[in-house]
Amino acid sequence: EIVLTQSPATLSLSPGERATLSCRASQSVSSYLAWYQQKPGQAPRLLIYDASNRATGIPARFSGGGSETEFTLSISSLEPEDFAVYYCQQRSNWPLTFGGGTKVEIK
Amino acid sequence: QVQLQESGSGLVKPSETLSLTCTVSGDSINSYYCSWIRQPAGKGLEWIGRIYTGGRTNYNPSLKSRVTMSVDTSKNQFSLKLSSVTAADTAVYYCVGRYCDSTTCFDNWFDPWGQGILVTVSS
Repeated sequence: EIVLTQSPATLSLSPGERATLSCRASQSVSSYLAWYQQKPGQAPRLLIYDASNRATGIPARFSGGGSETEFTLSISSLEPEDFAVYYCQQRSNWPLTFGGGTKVEIK
Repeated sequence: QVQLQESGSGLVKPSETLSLTCTVSGDSINSYYCSWIRQPAGKGLEWIGRIYTGGRTNYNPSLKSRVTMSVDTSKNQFSLKLSSVTAADTAVYYCVGRYCDSTTCFDNWFDPWGQGILVTVSS
């Protein structure tokens, strides 16, 4: 099973700041990595797939990068609605797995 | 726009079987697929498995011995059964479709999501 390790666990930032989240895979997943956003009481929402492609309707301030075992999700300038938990997920190997999440909170 | 809605029992006794249904609206489920994902309160996401409308399934090995997924195309519904439940199975259960952009559908990227249903295992 591929283990995805997200860091940091919590990121405290102010609106307007840049956020950089990390996801590390225990073995190569090529570019088969996605990012999701989850707000309290809501289902997750797909933001990024295939490491760097924004899903339909996702603002351009969200960008993804990386390959193999190291990936990042960047939010160029945090909006109030961006404070949430973010998960990475791989589809390279069975079973499909998720990272433990990074909470982006208001500083 | 495809929408998914989970339904089923929100309270299950230990050792019994959890049964959930996912109803798909906004499109036919022919050539569709559904994954089930769960999330214990305050914790992360766990993929349970997936099923295609043709009946092909893939299950998480950690749950495989207890999971059964099925499809009823006449009702536009997918179903999940999880047997011999314990308190560790208490979670919000989501049914999820595969993400499609304007030209391509991508297996195993998850979107849209149902709203989720809380299942509590307790006597």
